[in-house]
Amino acid sequence: GAGVSQSPSNKVTEKGKDVELRCDPISGHTALYWYRQSLGQGLEFLIYFQGNSAPDKSGLPSDRFSAERTGGSVSTLTIQRTQQEDSAVYLCASSLRLAGNEQFFGPGTRLTVL
Amino acid sequence: GENVEQHPSTLSVQEGDSAVIKCTYSDSASNYFPWYKQELGKGPQLIIDIRSNVGEKKDQRIAVTLNKTAKHFSLHITETQPEDSAVYFCASSGAGSYQLTFGKGTKLSVIP
Repeated sequence: GAGVSQSPSNKVTEKGKDVELRCDPISGHTALYWYRQSLGQGLEFLIYFQGNSAPDKSGLPSDRFSAERTGGSVSTLTIQRTQQEDSAVYLCASSLRLAGNEQFFGPGTRLTVL
Repeated sequence: GENVEQHPSTLSVQEGDSAVIKCTYSDSASNYFPWYKQELGKGPQLIIDIRSNVGEKKDQRIAVTLNKTAKHFSLHITETQPEDSAVYFCASSGAGSYQLTFGKGTKLSVIP
C-alpha cells in the first residue's frame, strides 16, 4: 500500500513568512509524529498525535510552531514568521499503535529560509 | 530524559567486510531499540529492531545485539555491499512511551 507522503518536497521561503507543511499518514495508522532533522544531525521530536487525544506538543521549539491533525488523518505543521534557523528537513511518521511500534517515515520536506 | 549516543559518526569499509555501529542509552527503562537507514533525499527506513526481552536478532546480513546491563546495543552488517552506503540511526523508547530518542547517525560508506 501507499506509504507516508509529504508535501511539498522542497520549500524555499523568505524570513518572516509563514509556511505550511503537509503529511498524509498511512491509512489506518492512528499515531502521527513530526520530527525536524537539521543538517548532519539526528531527528528531533516535535509533536505527536494519537487518535482523538490531545497532542503532545512538548518538542515544539517555540510558539511559532503549531500543528493540527484533521479527522484523525492528514496533518499540517505550520511555522509562523520563519527564521533562518528553521531551515531543516521536516519529517513525518506514522505508526499503527502506541509504544514500541514501528514508525514509518515520509520522504520529508526540505525547508530553506532565506 | 533519555539520551542516546552513537559511534562512530562516519565509517568506511571495503565491500565484503563487516560494519559495526554502536549506541548507548541512558534510561534503564528503555525497552525498544530500532535501527533506521536513511538514503540521500529520503526518509529513514526501519531495517531491524529489538526489544529488551531479546539479546540478539538477525535478518539476513543484518544483526542487532543488546546488552541491557551495559545499556548498549549494536548494529552488525556482514558482507557489506555498495548499496549499504547510507546514514544509519539508532533509537530507543521506554516502556509505554511512543517517543523515540535518536542517535546522531553514522554515515557508512562501502568502497567497491
